[in-house]
Amino acid sequence: DAGVTQSPTHLIKTRGQQVTLRCSPKSGHDTVSWYQQALGQGPQFIFQYYEEEERQRGNFPDRFSGHQFPNYSSELNVNALLLGDSALYLCASSLEQYEQYFGPGTRLTVT
Amino acid sequence: GQQLNQSPQSMFIQEGEDVSMNCTSSSIFNTWLWYKQDPGEGPVLLIALYKAGELTSNGRLTAQFGITRKDSFLNISASIPSDVGIYFCAVATGANSKLTFGKGITLSVRP
Repeated sequence: DAGVTQSPTHLIKTRGQQVTLRCSPKSGHDTVSWYQQALGQGPQFIFQYYEEEERQRGNFPDRFSGHQFPNYSSELNVNALLLGDSALYLCASSLEQYEQYFGPGTRLTVT
Repeated sequence: GQQLNQSPQSMFIQEGEDVSMNCTSSSIFNTWLWYKQDPGEGPVLLIALYKAGELTSNGRLTAQFGITRKDSFLNISASIPSDVGIYFCAVATGANSKLTFGKGITLSVRP
């Protein structure tokens, strides 16, 4: 049973560019949440998708957007990248429960 | 905003020792979770707590949900080298709600 998978593993982008990160949830899970983890900090909630709709959103600007596909996989898009967007981006999946299971993350570096 | 307090930032123990870590909040939460994160990996769920006063074990790990619903602690007994990592507490306000994380405690185990 595959767990949560994310791609790519690492990514280097330049300020002002746009990036798309991808996530496949754990088998049987229908809800995907995205988190940003800066160095030395705990993960910060970006948004959550359920039934292809954004269900909840954290305190992140509109430059951060997402999408969920019919197979429950999800994308996180960040436009107009800033240096401060450099972080580990984590995807978590769940199934109508409190327990969220995380993927290994995508390390984004903005130069 | 909501804030979880985890301290100290780092803990150093000898292999075989027991260790206890605490997590507190100024607000009441209905669900407390403990995660462990290894370098370059996503957080792994260790224990989830749903009822005030609940005591739950997972192998050498034991966690309790405080009776006031404003705190939780995690105990690790007979520590081993693979216990090294960052331990995060997290809270949720309801099913499939966002998780709010503490800043984490880095645990080092001396052989």
